Amino acid sequence: SQQGEEDPQALSIQEGENATMNCSYKTSINNLQWYRQNSGRGLVHLILIRSNEREKHSGRLRVTLDTSKKSSSLLITASRAADTASYFCATKIVGNEKLTFGTGTRLTIIP
Amino acid sequence: DGGITQSPKYLFRKEGQNVTLSCEQNLNHDAMYWYRQDPGQGLRLIYYSQIVNDFQKGDIAEGYSVSREKKESFPLTVTSAQKNPTAFYLCASRTGVGTGELFFGEGSRLTVL
Repeated sequence: SQQGEEDPQALSIQEGENATMNCSYKTSINNLQWYRQNSGRGLVHLILIRSNEREKHSGRLRVTLDTSKKSSSLLITASRAADTASYFCATKIVGNEKLTFGTGTRLTIIP
Repeated sequence: DGGITQSPKYLFRKEGQNVTLSCEQNLNHDAMYWYRQDPGQGLRLIYYSQIVNDFQKGDIAEGYSVSREKKESFPLTVTSAQKNPTAFYLCASRTGVGTGELFFGEGSRLTVL
């Protein structure tokens, strides 16, 4: 079973709008990471947030983490057509070397 | 440029044949991983290796085998015992210490005819 589950599964917005996607997980984590995947390509690391952090920014990306609710959100501001991709959250569980991925959100930016 | 190279990018196989997917990295990373990706199911871990000559099963290891004879290389063999091998296979690596960020190759798409 998947450790992380993204919501929504698919999202379409107009260029310039903000995009928000959410990730829920089940067990205690060391950190949570977000990755991006263009169609048919490998994944690219976007941002990492540790379990003792609540918010992190990187350029147009903002990630929040609520460990009490076991959830995270990724906000992409001022979206661009080039942001069209699938986005995955991945969790590193306490005491485990594995990184477990969610099912992803497919984001489409309409020009 | 440092990175991870997967080959071949596309591979076709007949039922009953074993195939080997190559993964090479020049990032001097200790740990390497193989994931399988099916539509709508995200990435599932097949095998991982934290050090040369050692590897561990992931969540879906049945029908797959790996070796880690060199730090740079972590080939994956899809055997005839894998009942549904058609998928997109992704190799990744990371440093042995630190935050756990993964670096991915561009993937290999295997189709069983």
